[in-house]
Amino acid sequence: AQTVTQSQPEMSVQEAETVTLSCTYDTSENNYYLFWYKQPPSRQMILVIRQEAYKQQNATENRFSVNFQKAAKSFSLKISDSQLGDTAMYFCAFMNRNNNDMRFGAGTRLTVKP
Amino acid sequence: DAGITQSPRHKVTETGTPVTLRCHQTENHRYMYWYRQDPGHGLRLIHYSYGVKDTDKGEVSDGYSVSRSKTEDFLLTLESATSSQTSVYFCASGNDLTYNEQFFGPGTRLTVL
Repeated sequence: AQTVTQSQPEMSVQEAETVTLSCTYDTSENNYYLFWYKQPPSRQMILVIRQEAYKQQNATENRFSVNFQKAAKSFSLKISDSQLGDTAMYFCAFMNRNNNDMRFGAGTRLTVKP
Repeated sequence: DAGITQSPRHKVTETGTPVTLRCHQTENHRYMYWYRQDPGHGLRLIHYSYGVKDTDKGEVSDGYSVSRSKTEDFLLTLESATSSQTSVYFCASGNDLTYNEQFFGPGTRLTVL
């Protein structure tokens, strides 16, 4: 079974600075997707960014980018120019494309300070 | 936003009673999922469906059953609720056309006394 580990329960960053959230996963599969989801206090789950495992190029979405190291099974999220609205729980997730089974990490609570 | 709703949004029940949570999506998504969210555990997959009447177990399926008789509806049943099933339950849906992005419902807070 796949496991996802987020080793940083809480992090904080000053507004406008850059922060990196860590995620590692364990799998024997080759066909999978990786995701970062954001959960603000409203509790709504919002997709931040996705990465297909077969793509070597790191995904980017505006201020959000990932560092995908397939051999190391690492998938970190970098948030540039942090904004107060980025304050939320961030979850790393792994999807096995063969059966659509999805596993989430325990989350990192990010606080952006003014 | 994908049209995905959950009902009820809040429920308090007693140990031993059956409970059914409903998830409804209007996007014609093939896949639907039920998760529970507990502090320190993130989201854990309970059951998922890859089509009408096609379901499979997730990571924490014991004590839960599901049914999907229509594309748009996915029901989660706690046959005999226990206090350990007190949690926030999320439904999600998605399909291959969305590159497996899952769209989440607003969640249901269930308290079992």
